[in-house]
Amino acid sequence: KQEVTQIPAALSVPEGENLVLNCSFTDSAIYNLQWFRQDPGKGLTSLLLIQSSQREQTSGRLNASLDKSSGRSTLYIAASQPGDSATYLCAVYSGGGADGLTFGKGTHLIIQP
Amino acid sequence: GAGVSQSPSNKVTEKGKDVELRCDPISGHTALYWYRQSLGQGLEFLIYFQGNSAPDKSGLPSDRFSAERTGGSVSTLTIQRTQQEDSAVYLCASSLPVGYGDSPLHFGNGTRLTVT
Repeated sequence: KQEVTQIPAALSVPEGENLVLNCSFTDSAIYNLQWFRQDPGKGLTSLLLIQSSQREQTSGRLNASLDKSSGRSTLYIAASQPGDSATYLCAVYSGGGADGLTFGKGTHLIIQP
Repeated sequence: GAGVSQSPSNKVTEKGKDVELRCDPISGHTALYWYRQSLGQGLEFLIYFQGNSAPDKSGLPSDRFSAERTGGSVSTLTIQRTQQEDSAVYLCASSLPVGYGDSPLHFGNGTRLTVT
């Protein structure tokens, strides 16, 4: 059974810093990996989706990398801003239908102004 | 609409009562998913609809939970005889009609259910 772990569970950094969020998964046979952002009281917003054949995806100040063989993905946030404060979740799709999408529990990020 | 719409945003109910949660997906998204998010837990898959195919109900935790999707659009999740452990945020998501997992999921803001 696929397991997704996100470390750290919480992170607080000063504004302007570059930071890395980590996601690891136990079964490397995945089709894709998604990074989401969740604001308090809101649903999830898809940030980046990386197919298994890809190494990275970029959107603005965000860069997500995927190392499928080692079961790891990182989300790099450049020049962090207070508006980046949220919970970031990763999810891997391992096939087999709707229950093949496994979510991590997220990293709660606080950017101090 | 521009995004996935869920109603109500908050629901407080007494133990034993039935509740209905509604999801209106993005127009053109034939794939629709229900998830449950409990405090301190990850997202738990509940049920998946894809077009006119039979829904994947493998995630429903008990027979008190059911869902339907009318006309391939709006979906209703029904919880009968609610229990306190049903308290959670219920999230709905939709995606384009491509192979599952190939298209980003678009989530609604969820319904926060509290069973007293």
